[in-house]
Amino acid sequence: NAGVTQTPKFQVLKTGQSMTLQCAQDMNHNSMYWYRQDPGMGLRLIYYSASEGTTDKGEVPNGYNVSRLNKREFSLRLESAAPSQTSVYFCASSEREGSNTEAFFGQGTRLTVV
Amino acid sequence: AQTVTQSQPEMSVQEAETVTLSCTYDTSESDYYLFWYKQPPSRQMILVIRQEAYKQQNATENRFSVNFQKAAKSFSLKISDSQLGDAAMYFCACKIYGNKLVFGAGTILRVKS
Repeated sequence: NAGVTQTPKFQVLKTGQSMTLQCAQDMNHNSMYWYRQDPGMGLRLIYYSASEGTTDKGEVPNGYNVSRLNKREFSLRLESAAPSQTSVYFCASSEREGSNTEAFFGQGTRLTVV
Repeated sequence: AQTVTQSQPEMSVQEAETVTLSCTYDTSESDYYLFWYKQPPSRQMILVIRQEAYKQQNATENRFSVNFQKAAKSFSLKISDSQLGDAAMYFCACKIYGNKLVFGAGTILRVKS
């Protein structure tokens, strides 16, 4: 099994450009997440989807939009990239609500906005 | 709001010694789950240990154990007999019933030989 797959792995954008980070999981998990990781800030939750058809804001949602396309896929869109969005982005998934199962992570996307 | 705080940006331990990483959290939920993850330089996120809030007994996984103090909202990780392979970034995380999963800022653990 592939687990959680993110694309692309690396991306350089110019300020103002838009892009979509793709994420897919093959574990039949209900919940999916997008995080950004910055030095000294840890993993900060951008958006999450507790189940198919729902999305909720996390700690740092400004400048991002998400789409839970189906149970497998959860995309993150930057409409107008800014240098402050330079970061490593992680997608993750986990099982049903109320369970103690851990989140499984993709390999991350290193995004640089110049 | 659900928050997780790791107050130690960096820790060092001698090989074969014991080290404790601190974590405090805040949530208004009564049911939640706590996790410690390890992130080596490869950026892969690896689950170390988990704890259900309703269980009083502290979780243990081989050399890794936790000290869970529910009233104090504290969830520290103890690593015994530290090994060079334990060197990594460690993240504490809290998941509430709605499956919102929040992480702390992380602690870099360095292991000296």
